[in-house]
Order: sequence, then structure tokens, then C-alpha cells
Amino acid sequence: GAVVSQHPSRVICKSGTSVKIECRSLDFQATTMFWYRQFPKQSLMLMATSNEGSKATYEQGVEKDKFLINHASLTLSTLTVTSAHPEDSSFYICSASEGTYEQYFGPGTRLTVT
Amino acid sequence: DQQVKQNSPSLSVQEGRISILNCDYTNSMFDYFLWYKKYPAEGPTFLISISSIKDKNEDGRFTVFLNKSAKHLSLHIVPSQPGDSAVYFCAAADTNAGGTSYGKLTFGQGTILTVHP
Repeated sequence: GAVVSQHPSRVICKSGTSVKIECRSLDFQATTMFWYRQFPKQSLMLMATSNEGSKATYEQGVEKDKFLINHASLTLSTLTVTSAHPEDSSFYICSASEGTYEQYFGPGTRLTVT
Repeated sequence: DQQVKQNSPSLSVQEGRISILNCDYTNSMFDYFLWYKKYPAEGPTFLISISSIKDKNEDGRFTVFLNKSAKHLSLHIVPSQPGDSAVYFCAAADTNAGGTSYGKLTFGQGTILTVHP
């Protein structure tokens, strides 16, 4: 149980375009979903927290207009990187929680902006 | 400001021996701790957790020890197996934080464990 999927697993896009990443909880209802970014050899950096049906809460330093998060249902959250630039290239990971502190992570999405 | 620190970037252990992964934290409000394991290009998977009301929690080959006074926790893997080779992250939470901070985890930098056959 507690499976989280993420799509796509890899995406390459051109600078200036937008990319959408989907995160789904497959066998449970996720009251809260989290979006992280991981740079090489570094920790998971929380970008934002989203609760179903409400606006996401962004961490300090994360541009909410650039990283659009939608949590439309208890099983789906999306992260859209708008007007992507090469510095946005990274590994993006989502996680989902049923309301406890145990988060279940997706497999991640490798974004490369050329 | 790194509130959760894993000061050893890597650890190498022989198969069958004990692996000890360490984690320190600075925020005294943290009262719930978790360990995650991560393979390259995959998301982390939950291993084991411990609440601050305990000083030890065991699950099979994995045991987590918590020393609140030292703000230190460790993960013991006995016996270590080659399949345990991965990056291990410790994470901490303040379960009394409400509002938008509820459910948030703060992660350490990770320790790469290599178990040699």
C-alpha cells in the first residue's frame, strides 16, 4: 500500500516553455501533498505544501508564480514550472500524506531545461 | 540554517556487520523523527520512525535510537546486506506545529551507505 506515482519521470524542455508534473496517490487519499526539489548531493528541499481544495503554502524563497501547484483532488496534485530556465533543471519529488507525519514519496521527475 | 545534520556524507561497511548512521538536530521543538532510504533516481522510501517519548524503536534489522538531551539519533542496521546500499536521510518534525506547518518534515543531507559483499 501507500503508493505514489509521478509523471513524467523525465522531461526535457526548451527555455521559456512550461512543464507540468503530476503526482498521484494510487491507493490512499492524500490530505496533504508536498513538493520537493533535490540538487545533486544535497538534501530534499521543501518547495511547497498543498492541501486538497486550498491554496498551496510555499516555502520562503520559492516563487509561487513560477511554480504553480494545484491539488484538485485527494489523489492528484500538479506542479507546473512556468517559463522554465536552465537553472530550474533539477530532480523534483512529490510526497503524499494521509494526515500523519509519514510521507510517501513518488519516484521523482528529472527536469532538464535546455 | 541546517536544522537537521548528517555529518557523514558516506559510510562503507562489510556485509554482515553493523551499519550505524548518525543524525543531529538543533531545533528542540522537533519531537518526531523518521529515516528514509533512497536509491538513485527514485523517491525516498520510509524505513522507521521514533517519537520523542521513546528512546528506541526496532523493526527487524533496523533500530533507531534517540538521545534527546544530545539532540542525536542513529539508525542501526544489523546485519548489513549489499541491498542496503543507498542514501539514507533522517527527517524531523515538530508535531505541535499547527497551521501550514503541520506535517512538514525537515531533512538532513543524507549519508551514502555502501555495503560490500
